[in-house]
Amino acid sequence: DAKTTQPPSMDCAEGRAANLPCNHSTISGNEYVYWYRQIHSQGPQYIIHGLKNNETNEMASLIITEDRKSSTLILPHATLRDTAVYYCIVRVSIIKSTGGFKTIFGAGTRLFVKA
Amino acid sequence: DTGVSQNPRHKITKRGQNVTFRCDPISEHNRLYWYRQTLGQGPEFLTYFQNEAQLEKSRLLSDRFSAERPKGSFSTLEIQRTEQGDSAMYLCASSDKQGVTYEQYFGPGTRLTVT
Repeated sequence: DAKTTQPPSMDCAEGRAANLPCNHSTISGNEYVYWYRQIHSQGPQYIIHGLKNNETNEMASLIITEDRKSSTLILPHATLRDTAVYYCIVRVSIIKSTGGFKTIFGAGTRLFVKA
Repeated sequence: DTGVSQNPRHKITKRGQNVTFRCDPISEHNRLYWYRQTLGQGPEFLTYFQNEAQLEKSRLLSDRFSAERPKGSFSTLEIQRTEQGDSAMYLCASSDKQGVTYEQYFGPGTRLTVT
């Protein structure tokens, strides 16, 4: 149970902002929202994470609603190289209080950036 | 490039043969993870090491699978008597706890094809 709902696929025009939604209505108060992406035939790449405040880094912005039940990943100027599967994750299972954890991935959103 | 390397990148083997994959994590990361990913699905957790200790194994890891991290640095994943159902991408990730958040850095993966 990945605890998130994402659309299976989305299109975006090159140069435009890509807004990827994620529904996580059962998120707990101390659970972070993480986003990873996976470009074809590569390993997943960490993008950004947040708890309740909006976050921005060099790759993307993360907007989390006030009730924390949903979030949106924003790629401000999508390029063809942003075509990938984007995973929204809120479930991180802690392993035996050692600091280790396992990330529970869902199916993600396949983003197609078109010229 | 996340700093996590995996070798080989591709492996084709005949059913019944043994295969071994290697992962070199980011040097300062003491936590290492193996995941498996089949076509169209997100990665699934297999096992976790903290330093040289294997602290968690998924039920996906049958008796034919064994993983080691002998000196707490690189890790190997061996599959004995491969079956066609073992065909997948095998991903390695490493992490270091940063505050209370948990980001993982994935390698490029080893794609296994069992014929």
